[in-house]
Amino acid sequence: EPEVTQTPSHQVTQMGQEVILRCVPISNHLYFYWYRQILGQKVEFLVSFYNNEISEKSEIFDDQFSVERPDGSNFTLKIRSTKLEDSAMYFCASKGTGVLETQYFGPGTRLLVL
Amino acid sequence: QKEVEQDPGPLSVPEGAIVSLNCTYSNSAFQYFMWYRQYSRKGPELLMYTYSSGNKEDGRFTAQVDKSSKYISLFIRDSQPSDSATYLCAINFSGGYNKLIFGAGTRLAVHP
Repeated sequence: EPEVTQTPSHQVTQMGQEVILRCVPISNHLYFYWYRQILGQKVEFLVSFYNNEISEKSEIFDDQFSVERPDGSNFTLKIRSTKLEDSAMYFCASKGTGVLETQYFGPGTRLLVL
Repeated sequence: QKEVEQDPGPLSVPEGAIVSLNCTYSNSAFQYFMWYRQYSRKGPELLMYTYSSGNKEDGRFTAQVDKSSKYISLFIRDSQPSDSATYLCAINFSGGYNKLIFGAGTRLAVHP
């Protein structure tokens, strides 16, 4: 069964460093998303992406964040200058084109900012 | 008022019990309702997906939506220890294109 994959599974970085989280969505999906979950809190929407542009973003998704689909298979989330409060689990999700389809999530990248 | 409210539990039941998990939501424009299961430190896994009011059954799982009360439920019959996980309700406006809005998740423990 097709699935969303994410790399790395864990990332430790120093405050102020740039990180790039990578996702490979399900191959025929065209809608892509990033969510995050701070430990013990609910899953929160960050950004959605379709047709090579951002379709919606949350208040969390400020200028420090960017997304890119650099080729036909990868979808990346970049955090330019990480802060302690960026420590969280980051989930990528993708969706097909059917109206009744929903979003399928990857296993997540656990980001720890020291 | 929060968009989606869900009792975080924890909920502890004996194996074989019927489990009822619930969420309420505030915006009547929401149309699509999902239940995800999340094991510790893993990604959400889609369990059930419903549109409009009514019931949907899949094996031991039944999802129920009551749009008049803005209330959604997930029932698990004959619960198993492997059902121990956090159950997240999620909703959105239309066809899954929009962002999912998650409840806090209910932690369920099924003990043998």
